[in-house]
Amino acid sequence: EVQLVESGGGLVQPGRSLKLSCLASGFTFSNYGMNWIRQAPGKGLEWVASISSSSSYIYYADTVKGRFTISRDNAKNTLYLQMTSLRSEDTALYYCARQRNYYDGPVFDYWGQGVMVTVSS
Amino acid sequence: DIQMTQSPASLSASLGETVTIECLASEDIYSNLAWYQQKPGKSPQLLIYYANSLNDGVPSRFSGSGSGTQYSLKINSLQSEDVSIYFCQQNYDSPPTFGGGTKLELK
Repeated sequence: EVQLVESGGGLVQPGRSLKLSCLASGFTFSNYGMNWIRQAPGKGLEWVASISSSSSYIYYADTVKGRFTISRDNAKNTLYLQMTSLRSEDTALYYCARQRNYYDGPVFDYWGQGVMVTVSS
Repeated sequence: DIQMTQSPASLSASLGETVTIECLASEDIYSNLAWYQQKPGKSPQLLIYYANSLNDGVPSRFSGSGSGTQYSLKINSLQSEDVSIYFCQQNYDSPPTFGGGTKLELK
């Protein structure tokens, strides 16, 4: 069974940093592109960042470019999101999501349960 | 960025009814369109990809159609477990973008 379990969220002051993790199991993690997608309270979905299976290709939403860094450790089956210079508008539930396959592009077939990040003084 | 506009924003329907949700892209996305279902308090789940391909395990009462800029999700014979928010998403161009969602409730 595919499982994605996020951790590392919490309450943080504006301007501070936070690092999210997503532990994957039930599939060969190193074969799949992975993504972070967020959902502000009561709002829709916003793609944040993606990383290819071997970390060769990395993309960011303009809203986080230069502040967030996506990375992965295939030996540990773990995806990361390092968030710096956090703003109130970064407050959201952050989901880790698997890309269905390379050929379809960003179609997300498995999602974690999400981890809440609250940016507030 | 490609804008995705869903309609209606909310919808109330009766059990057994057929429901259709629309999604309009700001430019041609060549059927690179996915639909997700988000049940209350849960993570989104992939229903349909490439406009009309049903994801594994998704009931056959769900179907997708469309081309160009206009797409739709149809739910036949509405069940109570279909109460959810439905999102469309284009995967044609970067960044991938989502529609604002359609909240489906039971009448």
